Amino acid sequence: AQSVTQLGSHVSVSEGALVLLRCNYSSSVPPYLFWYVQYPNQGLQLLLKYTSAATLVKGINGFEAEFKKSETSFHLTKPSAHMSDAAEYFCAVSGHTDKLIFGTGTRLQVFP
Amino acid sequence: DAGVTQSPTHLIKTRGQQVTLRCSPKSGHDTVSWYQQALGQGPQFIFQYYEEEERQRGNFPDRFSGHQFPNYSSELNVNALLLGDSALYLCASSLAGLAKMSGELFFGEGSRLTVL
Repeated sequence: AQSVTQLGSHVSVSEGALVLLRCNYSSSVPPYLFWYVQYPNQGLQLLLKYTSAATLVKGINGFEAEFKKSETSFHLTKPSAHMSDAAEYFCAVSGHTDKLIFGTGTRLQVFP
Repeated sequence: DAGVTQSPTHLIKTRGQQVTLRCSPKSGHDTVSWYQQALGQGPQFIFQYYEEEERQRGNFPDRFSGHQFPNYSSELNVNALLLGDSALYLCASSLAGLAKMSGELFFGEGSRLTVL
């Protein structure tokens, strides 16, 4: 069975500051891990994915995440926040299928 | 290249009624999954259709049913609506063989259902 836990339902940063969104996973098989972003009144857009290749994964819009097996973590980072990054972010896990298990989400606010 | 399209975008129903939501997958995709996203929550897997059959199902009652057509489009039906069924219903498509390697889904913008 798979599950993810997102620590912090709300994160607030200033424009230009580091963004760090936390995700820990549990999986009975080597996991595939994903970060999706959801803008208001829209569907989900894939930011990046880990599928057992490089442990540091780069995605769109300057985001990246590092898979750490020893810590069962897949935290999302961005060096410098932009106002346009304000959205809901979801971490998800799958067990080599196309059924995703999502976390409860983290709402990112960016202040000028 | 058209992405995943869903209809209607918004609808309002009353308790006890029935609703049908529709989804057209991304061009070239053969698998459709449905997710329910309640307000303030992450999406929850309802079920998945492949080759016109339900292949996987999440922890949802039989009031939730679906169908996939030969052109890979899909419908989600919910009977005997409850207030708790109010949510954003997301459709996601994938290509079966590729998804097992990448696990990536493509999502539509969803159908927002309000049950009064």
